[in-house]
Amino acid sequence: GENVEQHPSTLSVQEGDSAVIKCTYSDSASNYFPWYKQELGKGPQLIIDIRSNVGEKKDQRIAVTLNKTAKHFSLHITETQPEDSAVYFCAAPGTDRGSTLGRLYFGRGTQLTVWP
Amino acid sequence: EAQVTQNPRYLITVTGKKLTVTCSQNMNHEYMSWYRQDPGLGLRQIYYSMNVEVTDKGDVPEGYKVSRKEKRNFPLILESPSPNQTSLYFCASSQGVNNEQFFGPGTRLTVL
Repeated sequence: GENVEQHPSTLSVQEGDSAVIKCTYSDSASNYFPWYKQELGKGPQLIIDIRSNVGEKKDQRIAVTLNKTAKHFSLHITETQPEDSAVYFCAAPGTDRGSTLGRLYFGRGTQLTVWP
Repeated sequence: EAQVTQNPRYLITVTGKKLTVTCSQNMNHEYMSWYRQDPGLGLRQIYYSMNVEVTDKGDVPEGYKVSRKEKRNFPLILESPSPNQTSLYFCASSQGVNNEQFFGPGTRLTVL
């Protein structure tokens, strides 16, 4: 099945700096790559996603880049704020080719801390 | 309000005592899924359902059962809970696996 690896597991940045979290995946047929943010005591929420027909997508301070050749995608947060502190998860779906259609595979998460 | 609800939110039980965690969504989503979250392991998929009466195993299905008799409900059943099933459980729904997943608030289960 799909193997999604996420790095780093923890990330501390000063307010106003940028943060980058990277994920790699193994199934080259995967075509949808979401990022979720989980605040303390809550369920994950989608913050941005990208499909395989584009290489980059931006939404205000958040961007996702996708490199299909290298099979990795990254979350970029600029001008970080204390409220960006949370756990971030990447994910990738299973595929027909991998006989895992319908499954969704998550990375192990990154604890981001933004210091004021 | 569009939402996924889970009950109970917290549960402490003993080994072997059957339990059910309910999950309901009001968004008419076809896809529903259960995950468990453990420290350092992220979210792991237990079971998923792509439509009514269609369920399939995820990565960690052992010790769990599910059913999908109606579109809105997707209960998770632990027939004989064991301490290694102590975890934080999330139900989620979406239009499909390649769409935004809407997560419930989570159920924290402790099996003694």
